[in-house]
Amino acid sequence: KNEVEQSPQNLTAQEGEFITINCSYSVGISALHWLQQHPGGGIVSLFMLSSGKKKHGRLIATINIQEKHSSLHITASHPRDSAVYICAVGQGAQKLVFGQGTRLTINP
Amino acid sequence: NAGVMQNPRHLVRRRGQEARLRCSPMKGHSHVYWYRQLPEEGLKFMVYLQKENIIDESGMPKERFSAEFPKEGPSILRIQQVVRGDSAAYFCASSPRGGRASDTQYFGPGTRLTVL
Repeated sequence: KNEVEQSPQNLTAQEGEFITINCSYSVGISALHWLQQHPGGGIVSLFMLSSGKKKHGRLIATINIQEKHSSLHITASHPRDSAVYICAVGQGAQKLVFGQGTRLTINP
Repeated sequence: NAGVMQNPRHLVRRRGQEARLRCSPMKGHSHVYWYRQLPEEGLKFMVYLQKENIIDESGMPKERFSAEFPKEGPSILRIQQVVRGDSAAYFCASSPRGGRASDTQYFGPGTRLTVL
């Protein structure tokens, strides 16, 4: 079993829908990161969480430390949100352990 | 302020050749991380370096792979005697501070290595 599990692996939705991507982890962490990998391959850091909730534009990330679970939400989804979303947990000093990613496709 | 730069963006090597991947961190960043993404797989940590020091190389294959981050110039990931299984995307990230997994890391565009 992977230390970081994401679900779903693939998600297709219509423009405007509310999107939720889940991340569960089985190890103690110091922080959790959400990353976005564009179709061209580039990676952008979206959020870093150690507790609670963060919001940036249409993106919301939450984390429940007790349940070892985080969610990434996208409101009013748009085709340009189509990408792979990656959950990564930070252990110890600086090492990141990554989930397999969720491939999101938003159709117009 | 330029982001993290990686070059080349695409690199083709024949089996047995050497591959050198370069990463220039963001200005003011002295901490560099290398990650590998094999085809259809997730990202995997390889090595964490500060200027002139390797801090954590627990993700590096034991043979053929080495990394450095000299006082001047970019960080280099070197793969000797490449094999087909080395074909992957190699990403570099940098942070202004280090030593904490809560630090935001800024990723470069990656180098896609293809071994023929």
